Amino acid sequence: GESVGLHLPTLSVQEGDNSIINCAYSNSASDYFIWYKQESGKGPQFIIDIRSNMDKRQGQRVTVLLNKTVKHLSLQIAATQPGDSAVYFCAEILTGGGNKLTFGTGTQLKVEL
Amino acid sequence: GAVVSQHPSRVICKSGTSVKIECRSLDFQATTMFWYRQFPKKSLMLMATSNEGSKATYEQGVEKDKFLINHASLTLSTLTVTSAHPEDSSFYICSAGRGGRSGELFFGEGSRLTVL
Repeated sequence: GESVGLHLPTLSVQEGDNSIINCAYSNSASDYFIWYKQESGKGPQFIIDIRSNMDKRQGQRVTVLLNKTVKHLSLQIAATQPGDSAVYFCAEILTGGGNKLTFGTGTQLKVEL
Repeated sequence: GAVVSQHPSRVICKSGTSVKIECRSLDFQATTMFWYRQFPKKSLMLMATSNEGSKATYEQGVEKDKFLINHASLTLSTLTVTSAHPEDSSFYICSAGRGGRSGELFFGEGSRLTVL
């Protein structure tokens, strides 16, 4: 069936380095993608989103890239800080499904000092 | 930004009892709310879509008689876990949308249920 999945379950980076978290999706009908950050014991926090008519979107220290050809999404975090340590989820919204999100597996980002 | 509040944040109950979890949108009206379940180190799994004034829409495999959802007003949805069992122990998260722009969803802080 259709799914959203992440390539790496755990990513360790040094403080100050850039982080890249990847996500693969399989439903070509999805037209909207969101990255969420979830800290332990808390609900997901919106980071950045991108629509399918775009291939790049930048926020503060974060950039999302969308490659529709290979159905790949990535989140880049510049100058990673200890406070960035969390689990990151990509999610897709299926067209015709209202705001129903399908979440990916999740990647644990660990920032080493 | 918009705030979604869940209550209680933690609850421990005995097997066989029922537990109610509330999800409130504090500064906006939400015609639709979503309930998710999350196991440790796992992703969020959509359980159901809660629609104000009508029946909830459950995802495949989710028991509607087990997980009762009531969207009584535009700011409140409740999830009741009936006759709870230890396997119902989980982290339950709600989200609410303003409507309008697709994807404008706000998540609650989650409710951790432990069934003894």
